[in-house]
Amino acid sequence: AQTVTQSQPEMSVQEAETVTLSCTYDTSESDYYLFWYKQPPSRQMILVIRQEAYKQQNATENRFSVNFQKAAKSFSLKISDSQLGDAAMYFCAYRSGDFGNEKLTFGTGTRLTIIP
Amino acid sequence: GAVVSQHPSWVICKSGTSVKIECRSLDFQATTMFWYRQFPKQSLMLMATSNEGSKATYEQGVEKDKFLINHASLTLSTLTVTSAHPEDSSFYICSASLLPGQAPFEQFFGPGTRLTVL
Repeated sequence: AQTVTQSQPEMSVQEAETVTLSCTYDTSESDYYLFWYKQPPSRQMILVIRQEAYKQQNATENRFSVNFQKAAKSFSLKISDSQLGDAAMYFCAYRSGDFGNEKLTFGTGTRLTIIP
Repeated sequence: GAVVSQHPSWVICKSGTSVKIECRSLDFQATTMFWYRQFPKQSLMLMATSNEGSKATYEQGVEKDKFLINHASLTLSTLTVTSAHPEDSSFYICSASLLPGQAPFEQFFGPGTRLTVL
């Protein structure tokens, strides 16, 4: 079974600074997808960024980028120019590449605080 | 696009009653929907996978007779908490994915339902 580990229960960053959230996973599959979801106080889960395992290029979405190290099974999220609206719980998630298995496996989450 | 709604957003009920939560994909068809439970300050725990036109697949430890799931159409799945008790109080979230093989491959989440059982 796949597992996802987020070793940082809480992180804080000064507004406008950069912060990196870590995520490692364990799988025997070669084809899979990785995601970072954000859950603000409203508790609505919002997709931040996705990465296909077959793509070597790291995904980027505006101020959000990932460092995907497939061999090390590491998938960290970098948030640049942090903003107050970035304060939330961040969950790393894994999905098998098997179209018959669409379940997401979530990490335990990292609570990000933005310091004004 | 890819919007998922849930109704109600908040429900309070008496112990022993049943509560139904609806999950709808508003602008896409979803063969598969998922139901999660989330306790305060914890991650999402998958309860079951709901497949349109067939029985739901429950995760280990989830009572299927207590948490009834029906996926009657490609846009609607319902979760019924039967004979609810205070320990069932929680935040319930549904999600949906696009048709098999259809990108993108993430799940789209509803806003959640807060259930309080008195």
